[in-house]
Amino acid sequence: GAGVSQSPRYKVAKRGQDVALRCDPISGHVSLFWYQQALGQGPEFLTYFQNEAQLDKSGLPSDRFFAERPEGSVSTLKIQRTQQEDSAVYLCASSLGLGIYEQYFGPGTRLTVT
Amino acid sequence: AQSVTQPDIHITVSEGASLELRCNYSYGATPYLFWYVQSPGQGLQLLLKYFSGDTLVQGIKGFEAEFKRSQSSFNLRKPSVHWSDAAEYFCAVGPDSGGGADGLTFGKGTHLIIQP
Repeated sequence: GAGVSQSPRYKVAKRGQDVALRCDPISGHVSLFWYQQALGQGPEFLTYFQNEAQLDKSGLPSDRFFAERPEGSVSTLKIQRTQQEDSAVYLCASSLGLGIYEQYFGPGTRLTVT
Repeated sequence: AQSVTQPDIHITVSEGASLELRCNYSYGATPYLFWYVQSPGQGLQLLLKYFSGDTLVQGIKGFEAEFKRSQSSFNLRKPSVHWSDAAEYFCAVGPDSGGGADGLTFGKGTHLIIQP
């Protein structure tokens, strides 16, 4: 079966531009997570969805970051007015159910802000 | 707040030698612990997990890890490494059952280099 897919794989944005990053989770997975991974660091949690409900957005670094999952499947992470410090790999993960399940990660989108 | 420490940034091991990667965690309750591996340009692949029960956990690719509550550790081991094991390894804990973030908390990673 298909794993988690993300697009685009690479994105270069000029400072101040808006970007949208897409995540297609594994079919049937209820939970969806976004992480930010800076160069040489471990992933850091951004936000969590259970179906279409965004239950936790405590990790979003600023109000320029916005995520949605309107139909409980595909999710989009949007970053407005990008800054250089937003340069990172953005990872999406999904898991089967509620509670504690292993998370399956996509390949990530590498965002470079110039 | 929960945290994960991976004390070794880089480790170099000869092919065929044994491996141990260290992980220490801080967590308020019974931890849920994971080891992931990341190859260049790839996402994270789950090697193994500990939720409860037997403290010695077997994973994929010949890896195992031992949960030691008294030491707050979850070290990853492999008896004989292969060149294809060269990658970045991340230990993770969570999610936080005490009302914190719902995602996993990762360590900074250990970069494994395999010498021929």
